[in-house]
Amino acid sequence: NAGVTQTPKFRVLKTGQSMTLLCAQDMNHEYMYWYRQDPGMGLRLIHYSVGEGTTAKGEVPDGYNVSRLKKQNFLLGLESAAPSQTSVYFCASSYSDFLAGGPGNEQFFGPGTRLTVL
Amino acid sequence: GNSVTQMEGPVTLSEEAFLTINCTYTATGYPSLFWYVQYPGEGLQLLLKATKADDKGSNKGFEATYRKETTSFHLEKGSVQVSDSAVYFCALIRAGGTSYGKLTFGQGTILTVHP
Repeated sequence: NAGVTQTPKFRVLKTGQSMTLLCAQDMNHEYMYWYRQDPGMGLRLIHYSVGEGTTAKGEVPDGYNVSRLKKQNFLLGLESAAPSQTSVYFCASSYSDFLAGGPGNEQFFGPGTRLTVL
Repeated sequence: GNSVTQMEGPVTLSEEAFLTINCTYTATGYPSLFWYVQYPGEGLQLLLKATKADDKGSNKGFEATYRKETTSFHLEKGSVQVSDSAVYFCALIRAGGTSYGKLTFGQGTILTVHP
């Protein structure tokens, strides 16, 4: 099993350009998440999904959109990139609370995408 | 709201030294607590967790005890190795309800272990 994979690993954009980050998981997880990691701030949740066809806003959703058309994929889009979106982006997935026996189930993380917006 | 505070780093130790990374939290009720580790160039991996007061999580020689009275979940290891060099994140999931989207992270502590 590949676990959680992310594409691309690195990207440089100019201000105003758009791009889509792809996350894929092969563990049949219900929940998927997108985080951004900035120095001294830990990870902050951008958007998440509790199942195919559903999405919800996290802590810092502005400037991003997401889609979960297939259970195994979770896409993060930047319609008009800004320098403030320079960051490392991590995707994660987890089992539903029901299957995990309640809250506290582990989130499995991808290797990250390093994005620079000039 | 929920929050997690970790000791400021970076932390630099010699091999075989004792490690403590402090973590305190603010949350209502009884959250589940986690330590995640991020090795250079990789994503986060769960190191250990505890889901109720006085539980001790342990893995790879690391331990942390859920202390409700001090709202703490300090990470300890008796003898660190060079391979333990990484960034360590304390995190929590709020008590009650569902866990999706509710993982709150501390700012991370960089650990460097020298031979």
